[in-house]
Amino acid sequence: DTGVSQDPRHKITKRGQNVTFRCDPISEHNRLYWYRQTLGQGPEFLTYFQNEAQLEKSRLLSDRFSAERPKGSFSTLEIQRTEQGDSAMYLCASSSTMDRDYEQYFGPGTRLTVT
Amino acid sequence: QQQVKQSPQSLIVQKGGISIINCAYENTAFDYFPWYQQFPGKGPALLIAIRPDVSEKKEGRFTISFNKSAKQFSLHIMDSQPGDSATYFCAARKTSYDKVIFGPGTSLSVIP
Repeated sequence: DTGVSQDPRHKITKRGQNVTFRCDPISEHNRLYWYRQTLGQGPEFLTYFQNEAQLEKSRLLSDRFSAERPKGSFSTLEIQRTEQGDSAMYLCASSSTMDRDYEQYFGPGTRLTVT
Repeated sequence: QQQVKQSPQSLIVQKGGISIINCAYENTAFDYFPWYQQFPGKGPALLIAIRPDVSEKKEGRFTISFNKSAKQFSLHIMDSQPGDSATYFCAARKTSYDKVIFGPGTSLSVIP
């Protein structure tokens, strides 16, 4: 399978705990995006990377959130001191600047539940 | 403030009928308008996309109509099938490098 993969698919954690999600983009895709989707809503942009550089962060990304893409391949999204409001689907997408339309391809997401 | 508006919120169509979802945007800097299909527990998947210099684009049973002056665009699904039952999102991007701005989604149910 050459699509975007995310791990874990589901995560249940207690309020106050830290969680980390991983995203593996499509091979050779140099851009990687993180989005958050709450129930019944469209995904909302969190941050994106070109290669290893983090180029933009949404104001939704509070200081409890941090994302990395250390070698320009996979990325991690960490949430510290989780709150119940962090419960959502976290989606990763990747794209290539070699693609005419720079189309973003989404992974299956990580469903986070904070109890 | 919602940059991309979408209606209806939910839609029920008989098998073989036409499903129509409408969207509107405010920011004239948007220059790429994709539609995504999402099944429960899955990520959004690109269905079809259009640029504002084109008024209509058709791919199989899916057609996008685009009205640049009205800043509106719509998705038509012809001969709707139960397998089309999913949530559909219209979306917009400012540039080829920019984040996708999603509408709130339309839940489509196609009944036999």
